[in-house]
Amino acid sequence: QVQLQESGPGLVKPSETLSLTCTVSGGSISSYYWSWIRQPPGKGLEWIGYIYYSGSTNYNPSLKSRVTISVDTSKNQFSLKLSSVTAADTAVYYCARGDLLYGVWGQGTTVTVSS
Amino acid sequence: QSVLTQPPSVSAAPGQEVTISCSGNSSNIGNNYVSWYQQLPGTAPKLLIYDNNKRPSGIPDRFSGSKSGTSATLGITGLQTGDEADYYCGTWDSSLSTARVFGTGTKVTVL
Repeated sequence: QVQLQESGPGLVKPSETLSLTCTVSGGSISSYYWSWIRQPPGKGLEWIGYIYYSGSTNYNPSLKSRVTISVDTSKNQFSLKLSSVTAADTAVYYCARGDLLYGVWGQGTTVTVSS
Repeated sequence: QSVLTQPPSVSAAPGQEVTISCSGNSSNIGNNYVSWYQQLPGTAPKLLIYDNNKRPSGIPDRFSGSKSGTSATLGITGLQTGDEADYYCGTWDSSLSTARVFGTGTKVTVL
């Protein structure tokens, strides 16, 4: 049973870079797409982007200039970096398996942008 | 700003049926498969329906999906208190650099 676990700072200062890691356990990161999705407080889901295990990526056009998703197959992990954050980036951040269908999700991690 | 529109809320009594609509256009729903997710309070979303009308293993047949033109619909029959949750549709949009998009979300309340 594949499980995903997000990790990273829960508080980030405005203008800094948000960095999160998703660790995949119970299965290999290879041969799948892996995504990041976020949910601002009280709002709906927003797709951030995905990465294939080989390294190819696709990002939300509205975030593309600030987002980098990378993969480390040796650690069975993939990561999210979001630069120049503002209060609008405050959200629960989920990692998930898939590029269009998300059959496995992490529990989510709350990131607050505040000084 | 989501490109997929859902009603903010729907409600019904236990045992009854509800339907949730997801409206898009030819760049998204009209030419791509739709999936549906259930998000119980305080938890991560869960895949309910994929490829318009298929259920993953373990999803009861009380949940069904359909698509017609540029709209999709999720149906829930035999409503249970445990179905009280937020529901989201999802697909991808070829006009947005193949971005993945979600609906605005619908809160289902069991009266």
